[in-house]
Amino acid sequence: DTGVSQDPRHKITKRGQNVTFRCDPISEHNRLYWYRQTLGQGPEFLTYFQNEAQLEKSRLLSDRFSAERPKGSFSTLEIQRTEQGDSAMYLCASTSPTDEQYFGPGTRLTVT
Amino acid sequence: GENVEQHPSTLSVQEGDSAVIKCTYSDSASNYFPWYKQELGKGPQLIIDIRSNVGEKKDQRIAVTLNKTAKHFSLHITETQPEDSAVYFCAASLRGNEKLTFGTGTRLTIIP
Repeated sequence: DTGVSQDPRHKITKRGQNVTFRCDPISEHNRLYWYRQTLGQGPEFLTYFQNEAQLEKSRLLSDRFSAERPKGSFSTLEIQRTEQGDSAMYLCASTSPTDEQYFGPGTRLTVT
Repeated sequence: GENVEQHPSTLSVQEGDSAVIKCTYSDSASNYFPWYKQELGKGPQLIIDIRSNVGEKKDQRIAVTLNKTAKHFSLHITETQPEDSAVYFCAASLRGNEKLTFGTGTRLTIIP
């Protein structure tokens, strides 16, 4: 069990560019979550997958955001036409068979 | 939707003393209440959780209590050590494998 991994750990991009983040959950964890955390706040739910199916999206997830989990294993989160307000830590979590959520180290996005 | 409030926002205690962090939630249907510890630059780490059929749970120096009637739950850390210094988040969800709603965090500082 190597834990949830995320790549990259840090991303600096210019406003208007597209970015993509990757999350590799703990193996055999069927549910995968994406959260966003801004400075001084708790994580906020964005979306989640049960295997490859995306079952819920938060209203925080504007149409510039898209997430996929094509084979029910790793997931990607893409942000198109980034804005300065997208600057945040993007966290991925996967759920164990006993329903605990384990988080990855996060991807810190800075939009300049 | 669920709303979780957390107090205090900052807490300083002498090494060896106890620390208590309190949270309240709004949705009486919530049944799962985890606590996470987050160190600088890292993702949240699950430290303890409690489900609604239990009033108290202990794990070494850490304990969590739950009052479903009053809709509040608390984290207790005894015999605090410098490595306990971090930001602590409470969270709530309908079930363990559902999306989490987080509090705003408590920055705990242990004074040597």
